[in-house]
Amino acid sequence: DAGVIQSPRHEVTEMGQEVTLRCKPISGHDYLFWYRQTMMRGLELLIYFNNNVPIDDSGMPEDRFSAKMPNASFSTLKIQPSEPRDSAVYFCASSGPSGVTGNTIYFGEGSWLTVV
Amino acid sequence: QKEVEQNSGPLSVPEGAIASLNCTYSDRGSQSFFWYRQYSGKSPELIMSIYSNGDKEDGRFTAQLNKASQYVSLLIRDSQPSDSATYLCAARTGASGGSYIPTFGRGTSLIVHP
Repeated sequence: DAGVIQSPRHEVTEMGQEVTLRCKPISGHDYLFWYRQTMMRGLELLIYFNNNVPIDDSGMPEDRFSAKMPNASFSTLKIQPSEPRDSAVYFCASSGPSGVTGNTIYFGEGSWLTVV
Repeated sequence: QKEVEQNSGPLSVPEGAIASLNCTYSDRGSQSFFWYRQYSGKSPELIMSIYSNGDKEDGRFTAQLNKASQYVSLLIRDSQPSDSATYLCAARTGASGGSYIPTFGRGTSLIVHP
């Protein structure tokens, strides 16, 4: 399996521009998570989906952030307009069905965002 | 508020020694526990998962779980400089219906010096 695939790997954009991050989860996984990681705050859960439905978006910092999952194999995280404080690494992760076993979370390589 | 607490470190150990990393969690409903290793500039990668009380060994790594004390630990035997990384502890409930949220600690930085 190719693992969780994210794009772009690196993005440098100017303040005010729209940023779209993309994610392809592992085939067969029904949970998808978007995390943000910074030195100051560590790994923060932004939003997660189950069977393509957003379950909890309470971690989304502001209305400038939005996420979609139109099908089981694709999700986007959009920031519009972007601000310098959005600079961070954004990880997409996926995992299999609920249950005590078999629910390991697998991370993508991350999208390194710099807003100048 | 579900919390997973870790000492940020750095924990410095000599090569060949045992490194002991600790983690406590607040949610008694947590059923699955994970240790991830994250090298600088890389994504977290799973090292160990544990679901039952006791020890689980995998090569040089041993995960220990004590649900009564809400405590998880990771032991790394014969530590190598390549083990130098940040280790993230995570806890997750086993319930369905929208509460299946993994909670991560801030991580402990481990430095293994030659």
